[in-house]
Amino acid sequence: EVQLLESGGGLVQRGGSLRLSCAASGFAFSTYAMAWVRQAPGKELEWVSVFSGIGGTTYYAESVKGRFTISRDDSKNILYMQMKSLRAEDTAVYYCAKDFSPFGAGMGAYDIWGQGTVVTVSS
Amino acid sequence: QSALTQPASVSGSPGQSVTVSCTGTNSDVGLYKYVSWYQQHPGKAPKLIIYEVANRPSGVSYRFSGSKSGNTASLTISGLQAEDEADYYCSSYTSSSTLVFGTGTKVTVL
Repeated sequence: EVQLLESGGGLVQRGGSLRLSCAASGFAFSTYAMAWVRQAPGKELEWVSVFSGIGGTTYYAESVKGRFTISRDDSKNILYMQMKSLRAEDTAVYYCAKDFSPFGAGMGAYDIWGQGTVVTVSS
Repeated sequence: QSALTQPASVSGSPGQSVTVSCTGTNSDVGLYKYVSWYQQHPGKAPKLIIYEVANRPSGVSYRFSGSKSGNTASLTISGLQAEDEADYYCSSYTSSSTLVFGTGTKVTVL
């Protein structure tokens, strides 16, 4: 079964750091772009970042550029998001998501999503 | 990058058809075929229902269809059913090499 399982969320003070993890199983992880998408309470989905499957290209939303770093360990099938200088507006459920097509840049469609991990930034 | 514009809500009776619009610019929706639609039930993760404007992933009901004209994409749900009541989001690739989601539309089955 294709599955994504996020972890690492929690309560952190403003200005603090947190690292999220997303463990993948059931598919050839290294060949797929993987992304992080977040959703603040009662708000719309917001794309955060993507790591392509081949070539290692990364992209970020302007709202997190310079503060968040996406990475992946293809030997362990894990996607990461290192978050620093956290702000109240970073409070959200963070989902990891798998690109629909292999060898893509990860900007098309996401067909598998995790259950999400909650990040709360307190002031 | 501003969110794509969707109506806050649409509603219809069982069996009817409803259409959700998604308006962007000539730097995203109008420029690329990479428009997707997601269905999200309360407390759940989003589910991909349309990719590349009009394609349905395996297992998604034929009642969901997508199209695009200029800077506006549309999702049509035909034969509306109670289980279709959910939030719907569009997304598009952008000329800045990012992805942008829509503001979301709540579909209510009357």
